[in-house]
Amino acid sequence: DSGVTQTPKHLITATGQRVTLRCSPRSGDLSVYWYQQSLDQGLQFLIQYYNGEERAKGNILERFSAQQFPDLHSELNLSSLELGDSALYFCASSVARENTEAFFGQGTRLTVV
Amino acid sequence: AQSVAQPEDQVNVAEGNPLTVKCTYSVSGNPYLFWYVQYPNRGLQFLLKYITGDNLVKGSYGFEAEFNKSQTSFHLKKPSALVSDSALYFCAVRDIEGSYIPTFGRGTSLIVHP
Repeated sequence: DSGVTQTPKHLITATGQRVTLRCSPRSGDLSVYWYQQSLDQGLQFLIQYYNGEERAKGNILERFSAQQFPDLHSELNLSSLELGDSALYFCASSVARENTEAFFGQGTRLTVV
Repeated sequence: AQSVAQPEDQVNVAEGNPLTVKCTYSVSGNPYLFWYVQYPNRGLQFLLKYITGDNLVKGSYGFEAEFNKSQTSFHLKKPSALVSDSALYFCAVRDIEGSYIPTFGRGTSLIVHP
């Protein structure tokens, strides 16, 4: 058990809908990272938050947004969903702003139908 | 810019034999290098990292990796494979003077046959 908790584990929704994925980092970790894993794109970094502030942005679509709350949990919001958004979404956390060892959650499998 | 390549989509090895999973990287400066493992329906688990020092890094579950600066490689090795080692392995690299975020390879599926 990595100590990173993601909910829900599975999500099935229709195209055009909006969903929210939730992540609780390991106790004491200030950084949260969101990744998307799909067969064709591999593991893609989406966005990082450190102590409530956005620190780094990767290949995140404008339809996607995230935030980190004062209790350090994070949410990833995906809107106007398309079939191609179906993927495994991982949250990871680390102590520092620098990612030298990250701990991953078990992921949320999103299926858009 | 930073990038990493895992040239093999799949590696097959018999149980008890040594295994190698290959990784090459490209960075502008000096690299931080990582290996992660992903078991089915699980998140990635950290195996080991190279930041500085000894070129041979030892990690979890008996795995080790050798940093070779001249060949820009960081191959993952284990002297004797177990069936339970079968999983997806990811190499990642971060430029020490660059981005805080590592770039991951596409992964190599390791299959250990009994």
